[in-house]
Amino acid sequence: GENVEQHPSTLSVQEGDSAVIKCTYSDSASNYFPWYKQELGKGPQLIIDIRSNVGEKKDQRIAVTLNKTAKHFSLHITETQPEDSAVYFCAASMDTGNQFYFGTGTSLTVIP
Amino acid sequence: GAVVSQHPSWVICKSGTSVKIECRSLDFQATTMFWYRQFPKQSLMLMATSNEGSKATYEQGVEKDKFLINHASLTLSTLTVTSAHPEDSSFYICSASETGETQYFGPGTRLLVL
Repeated sequence: GENVEQHPSTLSVQEGDSAVIKCTYSDSASNYFPWYKQELGKGPQLIIDIRSNVGEKKDQRIAVTLNKTAKHFSLHITETQPEDSAVYFCAASMDTGNQFYFGTGTSLTVIP
Repeated sequence: GAVVSQHPSWVICKSGTSVKIECRSLDFQATTMFWYRQFPKQSLMLMATSNEGSKATYEQGVEKDKFLINHASLTLSTLTVTSAHPEDSSFYICSASETGETQYFGPGTRLLVL
């Protein structure tokens, strides 16, 4: 089955700096890669996603890149703000209706 | 758009009682709903997948007689923890998918079994 690894597990950055979180996956059949932000005591919130036919996607300060050959994808947050502090999860999925395989999460702390 | 609600947000119950958690998609029809369990500082663990009108598909190691899932309509799924015990205490999160691809998560339900 699919195996998703996520690094780093914790990340601290100064406000205004960039943060990068990386995930790798094992199954080349995976074709959908969402990223979720989870604040303490709340459910995960979808922040951006990318499909395998696209190499990069950007939404304001957030961007995701995908390298299908190397089987890895990354989340980039620029100009970080304290409210970006949360746990971020990557996931991989194959075809519609199938389960998500989640990474282990990255706890991001943005220091004011 | 794509709002998923859960009720209750937290519940405390006595050991041996049953607890029902509701998951609703508020502004879309969910062909598939998922139920997850999350332990502190850990990732989400998929418990089961349910399609409207069909029996839920449980992940390996999840007791289907203990965690009863009903997906009676395209906007409502319920998870009932039967004969709850302290080890069932956890954060339970549902998600819903309209197209079968993107999952939208509810806010979670924190269960404490005394």
